[in-house]
Amino acid sequence: DGGITQSPKYLFRKEGQNVTLSCEQNLNHDAMYWYRQDPGQGLRLIYYSQIVNDFQKGDIAEGYSVSREKKESFPLTVTSAQKNPTAFYLCASTGDVSEQFFGPGTRLTVL
Amino acid sequence: GQQLNQSPQSMFIQEGEDVSMNCTSSSIFNTWLWYKQDPGEGPVLLIALYKAGELTSNGRLTAQFGITRKDSFLNISASIPSDVGIYFCAGQLARGSTLGRLYFGRGTQLTVWP
Repeated sequence: DGGITQSPKYLFRKEGQNVTLSCEQNLNHDAMYWYRQDPGQGLRLIYYSQIVNDFQKGDIAEGYSVSREKKESFPLTVTSAQKNPTAFYLCASTGDVSEQFFGPGTRLTVL
Repeated sequence: GQQLNQSPQSMFIQEGEDVSMNCTSSSIFNTWLWYKQDPGEGPVLLIALYKAGELTSNGRLTAQFGITRKDSFLNISASIPSDVGIYFCAGQLARGSTLGRLYFGRGTQLTVWP
């Protein structure tokens, strides 16, 4: 089946640790996105990548980093510099048109 | 960043009632999308609109791309319990926007009572 996978579904991290969230897609989409969602909030863009080996900061990039070494993969690292990392993280991709398709999300909790 | 004003923030309705929600912006958009999100899951695309004035249906859902290109509407007819969830609007700016970059409303939380 074609789609976007995110792993793990739930992630717990101790304060001060870096953690990497996985996002893989087999839709052959060029562009990929990372969003953060907090209760009662819309989706806020963290980073996006329109092509392999290139990515840009979104609206809330501080404390996060990404890489795009393969078309299928766009991992997100939440660093210790992110002050409030507990949130629901969503990965999305888009092909030729504007329709973004989302993965199932990863819920990160910092203990 | 660009703000989309989505209303209402929440709705509590009885099964069988119709639902309306809308999204407005101060900027012109060339694409409007509507998503539904179930608890703990990623948003699922319901309807995509690409032309001012366009009216598109998907089952009991109907969405419209406003004539001014600054708003969009979603209607759900004869609601059922599985309509419960958060509905998001999203749009792509007509100008000055990175290809594919979407801006999202804050969502409408829909609760359906049996």
